[in-house]
Amino acid sequence: EIVMTQSPATLSVSPGERATLSCRASQSVSNNLAWYQQKPGQAPRLLIYGASTWATGIPARFSGSGSGTEFTLTISSLQSEDFAVYFCQQYNNWPRTFGQGTKLEIK
Amino acid sequence: EVQLLESGGGLVQPGGSLRLSCEASGFTFSSYGMYWVRQAPGKGLDWVSAIGGGGIDTYYADSVKGRFTISRDNSRNTLYLQMYNLKAEDTALYYCARGGSLLDWGQGTLVTVSS
Repeated sequence: EIVMTQSPATLSVSPGERATLSCRASQSVSNNLAWYQQKPGQAPRLLIYGASTWATGIPARFSGSGSGTEFTLTISSLQSEDFAVYFCQQYNNWPRTFGQGTKLEIK
Repeated sequence: EVQLLESGGGLVQPGGSLRLSCEASGFTFSSYGMYWVRQAPGKGLDWVSAIGGGGIDTYYADSVKGRFTISRDNSRNTLYLQMYNLKAEDTALYYCARGGSLLDWGQGTLVTVSS
């Protein structure tokens, strides 16, 4: 099983600033990596797939990068609605596995 | 508009069974693999099972293998998860999701395993 490790567990950032979230895979997942946003009481929402491709309707301030084992989600200028929990997931191998999540909170 | 509507959750005793359903609309159901993902209260996301568009290929997390069965009825645009021998650690909100990168998610159905 591929283990996905996200860091940091919690990230405190001020609105308008940049946030950088990391996701590491225990072995290569090529570019088969997705990022999801989850707000309290809501289902997760797909942000990025293929490591760097925006899902439908996702603002350009969200960007994904990386391949192999190291991935990054960057939010260029944080808006109030971006404070949430973010998960990465690999879909290169079975079983599919998620990272434990990064909580992005207001500083 | 894609819609996924889960149902069938509830309170069940340890060792009991439950069948979850997910009704899909807004896309060609048979063209997509479908997934079940769960989330225990206050915890992260846990992939449970997946099934190919034709219903032949199925995949399971080790934690549910032998206890859960995924299936689909493409004529009814419905995904199922039959759960047997439920354990307390199966308590979670169960989501269905569309496609390999989990393009769309339902709102979930809550399963509580407790005596």
